[in-house]
Amino acid sequence: NAGVTQTPKFRVLKTGQSMTLLCAQDMNHEYMYWYRQDPGMGLRLIHYSVGEGTTAKGEVPDGYNVSRLKKQNFLLGLESAAPSQTSVYFCASSYLLGNQPQHFGDGTRLSIL
Amino acid sequence: EDQVTQSPEALRLQEGESSSLNCSYTVSGLRGLFWYRQDPGKGPEFLFTLYSAGEEKEKERLKATLTKKESFLHITAPKPEDSATYLCAGVGDFGNEKLTFGTGTRLTIIP
Repeated sequence: NAGVTQTPKFRVLKTGQSMTLLCAQDMNHEYMYWYRQDPGMGLRLIHYSVGEGTTAKGEVPDGYNVSRLKKQNFLLGLESAAPSQTSVYFCASSYLLGNQPQHFGDGTRLSIL
Repeated sequence: EDQVTQSPEALRLQEGESSSLNCSYTVSGLRGLFWYRQDPGKGPEFLFTLYSAGEEKEKERLKATLTKKESFLHITAPKPEDSATYLCAGVGDFGNEKLTFGTGTRLTIIP
């Protein structure tokens, strides 16, 4: 019972490089989310999706793009990585938007040098 | 702007020593207050949802309660395996349905 799976688990990039983080869920959830977690700050929403083919901006969307081509997958892209994007990135999914719990993956630890 | 504040930032308890973690919130039209547990190197694991003031939920040694301004996570006779960071988050009214997270309380239970 995998739940939410994130790949890769760790990555080191140089400033200016690009990469894509992959999130896959097997719970048939409509809603998917990308967060970043930084020391001393709560989880902050980057982008989210309310269904296949739809995406929306969260609290801190600048420097990131997302795509949801299939219901079970949600991709987070960094086109030109910056040191300020060093963080732990979490993907989550939920059955409904709002007062239904979100289920999280185990994160991608990303360092930008 | 919605805000969730957790206290204390860190708490060290002896095994068996009960205590409470606090989550104060100002979330417009709160429709749900969530508690999560996060172990080092892992993602948050869902514990409870509380929907209205006066509601209580229990799971093993944990009990979560909700008032109109704050939520408490009570830990009774904790064991070392209860050591983790506990996060709370609130979701607002329709049209404001994104979770606002607190920064967490890092709980350490000493054997």
